[in-house]
Order: sequence, then structure tokens, then C-alpha cells
Amino acid sequence: EVQLVQSGAEVKKPGESLRISCKGSGYSFTSYWISWVRQMPGKGLEWMGRIDPSDSYTNYSPSFQGHVTISADKSISTAYLQWSSLKASDTAMYYCARQELGPDYWYFDLWGRGTLVTVSS
Amino acid sequence: DIQMTQSPSSLSASVGDRVTITCRASQGISNYLAWYQQKPGKVPKLLIYAASTLQSGVPSRFSGSGSGTDFTLTISSLQPEDVATYYCQKYNSALLTFGQGTRLEIK
Repeated sequence: EVQLVQSGAEVKKPGESLRISCKGSGYSFTSYWISWVRQMPGKGLEWMGRIDPSDSYTNYSPSFQGHVTISADKSISTAYLQWSSLKASDTAMYYCARQELGPDYWYFDLWGRGTLVTVSS
Repeated sequence: DIQMTQSPSSLSASVGDRVTITCRASQGISNYLAWYQQKPGKVPKLLIYAASTLQSGVPSRFSGSGSGTDFTLTISSLQPEDVATYYCQKYNSALLTFGQGTRLEIK
């Protein structure tokens, strides 16, 4: 089955670090970008950035550049989203989603089920 | 940066109604536009890409049109299971952007 499997929900304190994951299966992991999308409680979808797992090239939304780091380990078909110092405002659902590499195909055709991150003191 | 503006922000319609949601880009994006459906508590789902191409498995009552700056998503006959928030997304450049969403309810 073609799927993206995300890591489980996290509860963290402000200032803590965190890395969440997204594992692709059933398809060629290096043939698709993996993007991360944030959805704050009751709000819309926000694209954060993406990675090409074949060479780890990344590009970020200006809104998230410098606040998070996206990485990937193609040997285990897994992409990551990482924070070095969480804030309460990072509380949200985070989805990973894939896009074909070619520029005509940069829509999201497969989504993970989401990882809920709660940051609270 | 190109902004994506959806209208209306919310709407209520009756079962069987024809429903239209609009997405406007602040600059031309050719046909590099997708539409997604997110049902309450669920994962977003791709409905349409390239402005008018229906994703496999999506009911034919959904259709998309437009090019350049103005796009529409149409549901030809609203069904109860179509209650959801709908998002447009541009992908003409490496800066991917969603519209703010349109919440659709049944009257």
C-alpha cells in the first residue's frame, strides 16, 4: 500500500526540542518531494517547506525559514521536521505530503495522517 | 509573494444545490492550481489538479475551471458527505501557497 506513516502525538514544554517523522512506503521515496504542512487549531493549511529525498535539497516558506529544519534519510525512506526550541505557538497538527518532482506536478497527492504537537508548560 | 484568496469564507447550501467556490490569485499562475477537501477531523484530500483535472476516484459532481488568476470549484449537486472545508493551492513556483479555505455546510 502506498502510504505516508507519521510518528505519534507529542506533548512538550516550551524550549524543548522535537523531531517528528514521516515514513514513505509502497512507492519510490526518492521520486517525490516530501512537504510539511501546518494546521493550527481551527485554522487553515500552511505550507512550511519541503525536501527532495534524493539529494536532501530543501526549500522553505519564508514564514518558517529559520524556525524549523526539514531533513530526510533516504536509506530508511523517512523525512523529518525538527524544532530546536519549541514555543506554545507551535501547537498544531503537522501533516507530511508528497509531490512528484517535476514542476508541473507540485500538488499533494498523498498525505500522512498527521502528528499532533502540543506545547504547554 | 502571490496571495490566494478564496470566496466565500463559508457558505450554507441545500442538498442537490449547485455550489461554486472561487479562488483568486494576486498574479497569474497559468493552470497551476489544485483543490483539496478536508472533512472535519480528517486528512486533506486532493480533488482537482491542473485547475480542471479530476483526481482518480473523485466523484464527477466535482469540477474545476479557470486559468491565470481566477479559478472555480463547482459541486454540481451537493451531497451530505460534501460537508467540508475546501482549499485551493497554487504550485506555479517553489513557494507553495494555500487559500484560506471555504467552509461548506448543509442548510
